[in-house]
Amino acid sequence: KNQVEQSPQSLIILEGKNCTLQCNYTVSPFSNLRWYKQDTGRGPVSLTIMTFSENTKSNGRYTATLDADTKQSSLHITASQLSDSASYICVVSDRGSTLGRLYFGRGTQLTVWP
Amino acid sequence: EADIYQTPRYLVIGTGKKITLECSQTMGHDKMYWYQQDPGMELHLIHYSYGVNSTEKGDLSSESTVSRIRTEHFPLTLESARPSHTSQYLCASTKREASYNEQFFGPGTRLTVL
Repeated sequence: KNQVEQSPQSLIILEGKNCTLQCNYTVSPFSNLRWYKQDTGRGPVSLTIMTFSENTKSNGRYTATLDADTKQSSLHITASQLSDSASYICVVSDRGSTLGRLYFGRGTQLTVWP
Repeated sequence: EADIYQTPRYLVIGTGKKITLECSQTMGHDKMYWYQQDPGMELHLIHYSYGVNSTEKGDLSSESTVSRIRTEHFPLTLESARPSHTSQYLCASTKREASYNEQFFGPGTRLTVL
């Protein structure tokens, strides 16, 4: 069964600190993995997208890694800011259909305190 | 930020009412999607469309219906709302030949049925 599991479910950190969010998936055949940021009451916004051959991709203070062999990904946030408080969703796409089926994790709810 | 819009943003209605959630995008995207998301849970695909006059049901069974008469417009209708329909509804779109099938999301409609 194709699944995407994220951990931790929630995380609280102090402003300025770093943190790492985890994503494990069983989706096959794999096409790509993306991380989205979803602010409360808003739609998800794409942060990074990685294909099978990419190990790391950065977007400002966000750095995503991908290990396609172990089917694991992480999102590292550096020098957190209050505006980083949001849900971070790991999404994996398969290449087994023309739809490009997306599998969503439940997200990690990050809270940054001053 | 993607040019995809949803109205209303919030809706509170009584049981049995007919409602239509609007979704419009100005990017000329062929593919459009409707997702349902409950708090702390993953997004579930309920409807999608490849283009005008094309609509398909998604993975999650839904009593809602959709139509695609114009490329930019993908409304979702509930003929008789029930409390079990209370949820957040997210609309998304992508180009038919988009790299990585990246989907752009609207801000969502938070529906509460009393």
